[in-house]
Amino acid sequence: KQEVTQIPAALSVPEGENLVLNCSFTDSAIYNLQWFRQDPGKGLTSLLLIQSSQREQTSGRLNASLDKSSGRSTLYIAASQPGDSATYLCAVRNQGGKLIFGQGTELSVKP
Amino acid sequence: GAGVSQSPRYKVAKRGQDVALRCDPISGHVSLFWYQQALGQGPEFLTYFQNEAQLDKSGLPSDRFFAERPEGSVSTLKIQRTQQEDSAVYLCASSLDRGRSTDTQYFGPGTRLTVL
Repeated sequence: KQEVTQIPAALSVPEGENLVLNCSFTDSAIYNLQWFRQDPGKGLTSLLLIQSSQREQTSGRLNASLDKSSGRSTLYIAASQPGDSATYLCAVRNQGGKLIFGQGTELSVKP
Repeated sequence: GAGVSQSPRYKVAKRGQDVALRCDPISGHVSLFWYQQALGQGPEFLTYFQNEAQLDKSGLPSDRFFAERPEGSVSTLKIQRTQQEDSAVYLCASSLDRGRSTDTQYFGPGTRLTVL
C-alpha cells in the first residue's frame, strides 16, 4: 500500500530565504508525482507535475525533483516571499488514477 | 474558462441528517474524483468515475456514503445518517484522462461539512 510522508509538518522562515520541502513515498511504481499549494479555505492548485520518467521540473522560483529509486521528491522554493505562505501538498499517482497525498507542510514566510 | 465548481460551499447538518454535495467538473473532462480532507490532514481518496462508470469506490468509509454521476458530467456525493466523524472538507477533482502521465487533476474549492 502506497504511503506518502511529508517533512516538516510546519516551517517558518524569514522573507528571502531559500527553502526545501521533502516528500517520501513507499512504492516506487508511480505514474507521476505532483506538488500542490492549498490556501486556507480554498481548493488545491497544481504547482508542478513530474512524470515517472523525469528527474525534475521547474516553474519560476519553484523546482521539484524526483528520485523514484529512493522514493523521494523535494520542492525547492527560491527567494521566498510572504505570498508563498500556504500549505504544500505532495501527491503520487499510481496507475489507477487516484492521488495519494502526504499530510502537507504548512509554510509561513515572515516579512 | 470555468473551473471545477462545488456546492454548497458550506453545509451544517445535525447528526442523523442526510446531505448531498454537488460537483460540476470542467466541461469535457472524462474523469471525476472525490476526496475527503480532515482538518490538518492531506486529502484522502473516496471514489472515481470515468464518464458515468464508477470504477473505484474503495475509499468510501462506509455504506452511508454513495456517489453517482448518471450522465457522465455532474456528480453528487450523498452521505446518509451523518455522524460527527463525517465532518471534513469534501473535494472534487476532474481530469481529461487522456491516458498520459501529464494528465493533471483540477480541484474545486471544496464543501466544508460540519456535523453537529
